[in-house]
Order: sequence, then structure tokens, then C-alpha cells
Amino acid sequence: DVKVTQSSRYLVKRTGEKVFLECVQDMDHENMFWYRQDPGLGLRLIYFSYDVKMKEKGDIPEGYSVSREKKERFSLILESASTNQTSMYLCASSPGTGMSPDTQYFGPGTRLTVL
Amino acid sequence: GEDVEQSLFLSVREGDSSVINCTYTDSSSTYLYWYKQEPGAGLQLLTYIFSNMDMKQDQRLTVLLNKKDKHLSLRIADTQTGDSAIYFCAVPNSGYSTLTFGKGTMLLVSP
Repeated sequence: DVKVTQSSRYLVKRTGEKVFLECVQDMDHENMFWYRQDPGLGLRLIYFSYDVKMKEKGDIPEGYSVSREKKERFSLILESASTNQTSMYLCASSPGTGMSPDTQYFGPGTRLTVL
Repeated sequence: GEDVEQSLFLSVREGDSSVINCTYTDSSSTYLYWYKQEPGAGLQLLTYIFSNMDMKQDQRLTVLLNKKDKHLSLRIADTQTGDSAIYFCAVPNSGYSTLTFGKGTMLLVSP
């Protein structure tokens, strides 16, 4: 079974803090994704990566950055957390190009509260 | 980009069938997905259908695809209280490995 793990289930941070959210997958997947989920807005893609050290902006990248130094690990960074970044953050991975279907598998999520 | 629409809420009684509907805009989609999210959890893949199929059945789940109308539905037979969750339809974006998700349909099953 594919396993995607996220470093924390719940996180509370203060405005202005630098926040790291970590995601690890154990299936040698090429693609990794970060989403945020908010009531009434569904899932919105923040960033994704299709290879080590490669990243692409999603629909809402402002205020976020990412890092992928190793294939299995994809980090989301909030450089200076703000209250409007309070949300549920979901990480996902998928096998990558040439695989059909290229199904995304999700981690359990991190609920981040910024005070 | 892709646009995916779902109704937001469905309430059924235990033992009834549930039908969750989804419409999308892009006609080049290959696989279309249904995910389930239980409270406080991540998304779990339920099933998927390839775009050259009209129907796929997997135990209590039936997926129907009307490619002409760009309409996808998920039918859950003999719905149980444990099926209460949010169900998301997801459609691939052209040329990318990314998905566009609907906003999710909250299914509430009452005893």
C-alpha cells in the first residue's frame, strides 16, 4: 500500500513565524503535491513537484514556498505565517508520467492554526 | 483550466441508495476519480473510471460516465452510516499530472 505521511496532525503557530510542513512518501513516486482545504472552497493546489529539485506553482502559491531535496520528501514552507493561512494542509503523491492512471494518494493532513 | 461542479449536500436513510453527481468541462480527460474524506482525515481513493467506459462497478459502488454530457456519477448501494463523509470528484488537467477537484458533496446517512 502507498503510504504518505505528514509530520504533524495539528500545529499552532504565531503570526510571523516561519513554518515547515513535511511530507514523506514511500512508493518512489515522481510527483508530489501540496493542497490547502477550506470550507466552501474545496481543495486548492499550492505547489507541485514532478522531480527532485523541480517545482511548479499551483493555483494559490502566494505566501508559500516548497523544497524537494530528496525524491521521497516534499516540504511546504510558510515564510511568515499569517492568520489567513489557517487551514487544513494536504500532501499527495502520484507515480508520474507514463503511469496510467496517475492516481494521487493523500496523507492524513495537517491542521494549522495561526494565531 | 478545468471546472468541476458538484452538489454540496445529500441526505439519505440507511439502506437507501445514494447518487452523487459531478459535471466537468474538459473533454480530454482520461481517468476520472472519486475520493472519500472522513472527518479530520485525508482523502482516500474510492474508485476511478477510464473515459472510454460508460460504467464501472465495484461492490456497492457504481460509477456512470456520460462523456457527451460531461457528467459523472457515483452510486452507493445499501448506504450505511459509515458512508457518511465528503465525496470529491476529480478530473485531470490537460497535459499535466494535476487534478481539479470539485468542492465535495457531504453525504449524511441517518439510521
